[in-house]
Amino acid sequence: ETGVTQTPRHLVMGMTNKKSLKCEQHLGHNAMYWYKQSAKKPLELMFVYNFKEQTENNSVPSRFSPECPNSSHLFLHLHTLQPEDSALYLCASSQETLSSEQFFGPGTRLTVL
Amino acid sequence: DAKTTQPPSMDCAEGRAANLPCNHSTISGNEYVYWYRQIHSQGPQYIIHGLKNNETNEMASLIITEDRKSSTLILPHATLRDTAVYYCIVRVATAGTYKYIFGTGTRLKVLA
Repeated sequence: ETGVTQTPRHLVMGMTNKKSLKCEQHLGHNAMYWYKQSAKKPLELMFVYNFKEQTENNSVPSRFSPECPNSSHLFLHLHTLQPEDSALYLCASSQETLSSEQFFGPGTRLTVL
Repeated sequence: DAKTTQPPSMDCAEGRAANLPCNHSTISGNEYVYWYRQIHSQGPQYIIHGLKNNETNEMASLIITEDRKSSTLILPHATLRDTAVYYCIVRVATAGTYKYIFGTGTRLKVLA
């Protein structure tokens, strides 16, 4: 257990569905991250939030919509996804000091039909 | 683009030391090197990090060359449970915080 939880762990959705991924960290960190990991590809950083403010959007399509209501919670709202969006979605958090590390959640395995 | 390059795969005999190399020739003076591992599509697990001095913890040792252009992660006595993908990452600063840029990692297989 890293102190970062993600729900659901598995999700199957159709291309017309709307769903949300949830991430919660119990570590008192101020920065949170969404990553996407497709099969046989490196982890891709999607979004960065620092003190609830989005500081980075790594050219992510608008069908992915993040929300950070407070420093402990991060959501990824999904709508009209494509089959190629099927991947493992990982959340991480960190306390942004000079030499801190990121703590990763277990991920949500998303399948888009 | 990733700032690190690693061999795609390595094998290691159980009980022996596993030495995983990483090149980061474009690293800047204040950028840290981090190592994570990922076991079978779980979330990446932090191992160790360093700036310029060698580091050791209960999991591993990190050797960084004097010019900081490469490093080696050492698992002193590899076990079957160390089979995983190992990522060497340079952490870069961005907009008041930091981010990781992952490469493809090294798939380490520990053999019985």
